[in-house]
Amino acid sequence: QVQLQESGPGLVKPSGTLSLTCAVSGGSISSSNWWSWVRQPPGKGLEWIGEIYHSGSTNYNPSLKSRVTISVDKSKNQFSLKLSSVTAADTAVYYCASAVIRYWYFDLWGRGTLVTVSS
Amino acid sequence: QSALTQPASVSGSPGQSITISCTGTSSDVGGYNYVSWYQQHPGKAPKLMIYDVSNRPSGVSNRFSGSKSGNTASLTISGLQAEDEADYYCSSYTSSSYVFGTGTKVTVL
Repeated sequence: QVQLQESGPGLVKPSGTLSLTCAVSGGSISSSNWWSWVRQPPGKGLEWIGEIYHSGSTNYNPSLKSRVTISVDKSKNQFSLKLSSVTAADTAVYYCASAVIRYWYFDLWGRGTLVTVSS
Repeated sequence: QSALTQPASVSGSPGQSITISCTGTSSDVGGYNYVSWYQQHPGKAPKLMIYDVSNRPSGVSNRFSGSKSGNTASLTISGLQAEDEADYYCSSYTSSSYVFGTGTKVTVL
């Protein structure tokens, strides 16, 4: 049974870079899945950030594209998110999720990790 | 891309049926049969309830059903139960990206 687990600093300073990792266990990151990041500000709705395939192909939310980089590390069976120039508006629970290739829904989610942007 | 529009809240008594709407545009909901619905209890990760407009994943109760007409998708919960009280989000694929709905809080009276 494949599981996803997010990890990373819970506090980031304004103007800094938010960095998170999602570890894939019970399966291979090189399987036929797109691997995504989704965030949810406290008390608000979900926002898709972007996705990556094990080949390195990526797609990003147009509204965040200039600040987002998603990468994959096949040797560690994990993928990562970097969000630059963060502000308080980037405070959110960040989830990693996956969708089987050629299927357009997220059938697997991590538990999420809260990242607060504050000095 | 703008968030899909959902009612902020919907309520119903146990045993009743409720419907949550999800309105988008011809570029997302209306353009693809790739609408999905997620249930989220407080402090928990979202859970897939419906995919491809009207399909239920294995293990999801048949009390949950989905449909679509034009640019509006709908989730219906029949035989409402206390455990259905949660937030619900729709999502649509749109041109190499995804957009979520604004979310609906379902209250069981």
